[in-house]
Amino acid sequence: AQSVTQPDIHITVSEGASLELRCNYSYGATPYLFWYVQSPGQGLQLLLKYFSGDTLVQGIKGFEAEFKRSQSSFNLRKPSVHWSDAAEYFCAVNTGFQKLVFGTGTRLLVSP
Amino acid sequence: GAGVSQSPSNKVTEKGKDVELRCDPISGHTALYWYRQSLGQGLEFLIYFQGNSAPDKSGLPSDRFSAERTGGSVSTLTIQRTQQEDSAVYLCASTRGGGMNTEAFFGQGTRLTVV
Repeated sequence: AQSVTQPDIHITVSEGASLELRCNYSYGATPYLFWYVQSPGQGLQLLLKYFSGDTLVQGIKGFEAEFKRSQSSFNLRKPSVHWSDAAEYFCAVNTGFQKLVFGTGTRLLVSP
Repeated sequence: GAGVSQSPSNKVTEKGKDVELRCDPISGHTALYWYRQSLGQGLEFLIYFQGNSAPDKSGLPSDRFSAERTGGSVSTLTIQRTQQEDSAVYLCASTRGGGMNTEAFFGQGTRLTVV
């Protein structure tokens, strides 16, 4: 069955530093890939998505993600983290069975 | 509505009682999902409705859980004889269609606490 792995439960990054959140998926073909963010007390918001074409996709709030087929990965990146980026980040895949499968999430802490 | 609306936002119930959680999707969205978010467990898929098709109930954890969607719009998730392990945030999402590339819009969730 398809699955999504986010190996980092917590990550702490200094404000202004770069960020990379890891996501690996398990599926035979190329899935549809998403990153969502859940800020404290907020619902989930879509950051970006990948379906096909250019493997580097740009999202909102200065985030980007790169799809690497050879590594079955879709890592999320941001060059310079702001304190407001502190949140929980979820990677998700949709493999055509009409349901989004989410990873367990990575909680980002931003230190001053 | 402007977004996905869930009610109540918080629910405290005694073990053994039944609860109903409501989801009002975005108007015109044909697909609706229920997820459960437990601490450290990520988002667990529960059930999926798409139009008039039979729902995908493959994620419901036990027969105490059921959901319906009336008129292709509002959905109710019912948990019978609640247990403490049912305590979680229950999230509803809707999408414009059933395609793989459509963005899911989430509600704020219902935090269920079983005491």
